[in-house]
Amino acid sequence: DQQVKQNSPSLSVQEGRISILNCDYTNSMFDYFLWYKKYPAEGPTFLISISSIKDKNEDGRFTVFLNKSAKHLSLHIVPSQPGDSAVYFCAASAYQGAQKLVFGQGTRLTINP
Amino acid sequence: KAGVTQTPRYLIKTRGQQVTLSCSPISGHRSVSWYQQTPGQGLQFLFEYFSETQRNKGNFPGRFSGRQFSNSRSEMNVSTLELGDSALYLCASSSGSTYEQFFGPGTRLTVL
Repeated sequence: DQQVKQNSPSLSVQEGRISILNCDYTNSMFDYFLWYKKYPAEGPTFLISISSIKDKNEDGRFTVFLNKSAKHLSLHIVPSQPGDSAVYFCAASAYQGAQKLVFGQGTRLTINP
Repeated sequence: KAGVTQTPRYLIKTRGQQVTLSCSPISGHRSVSWYQQTPGQGLQFLFEYFSETQRNKGNFPGRFSGRQFSNSRSEMNVSTLELGDSALYLCASSSGSTYEQFFGPGTRLTVL
């Protein structure tokens, strides 16, 4: 039972354009969502997060949007840069298990020059 | 501030052996979580320790165990290794009162 899903295994975007990565979840108990970026042979790097009481959170080039009714969140990267090429993971947590993150399968983002 | 460190970075074992992996969290962080990453199952939560006590546990067999020391450093042990235990084992630290976790580089375990 995959509670967090990233349906696009890969995404290719032109440098300078917007990258949009999507994530869906099924567990309505999730109340906090995080995005991580991962390079090969390294651990995931925390990017940005959002609480379920918000619908948007912004940090520099990164913005996360949350649609609770649709159980959907997305990460927007504007403008996309070559260094953004990596695997992006969406993760979710429920209050009762705050340190137990449930991850999606990841989306490999490739930024083309 | 130094990040999360994990040792060793790479490990090769044979079936039936046991292995111990180590994790040092970010200074001041009291929570340490362990995750297993495999191509087929993705990133899966193993367990979390906070102030030397296991606070959360994932759906892994009892062969997987851990502990945390008074300085917040943590170890993970896998006994009677199976081929399917080959994976990247990631440790993450947190203050324990926030959701954000910060990951180490991982230990790549290969079971032959």
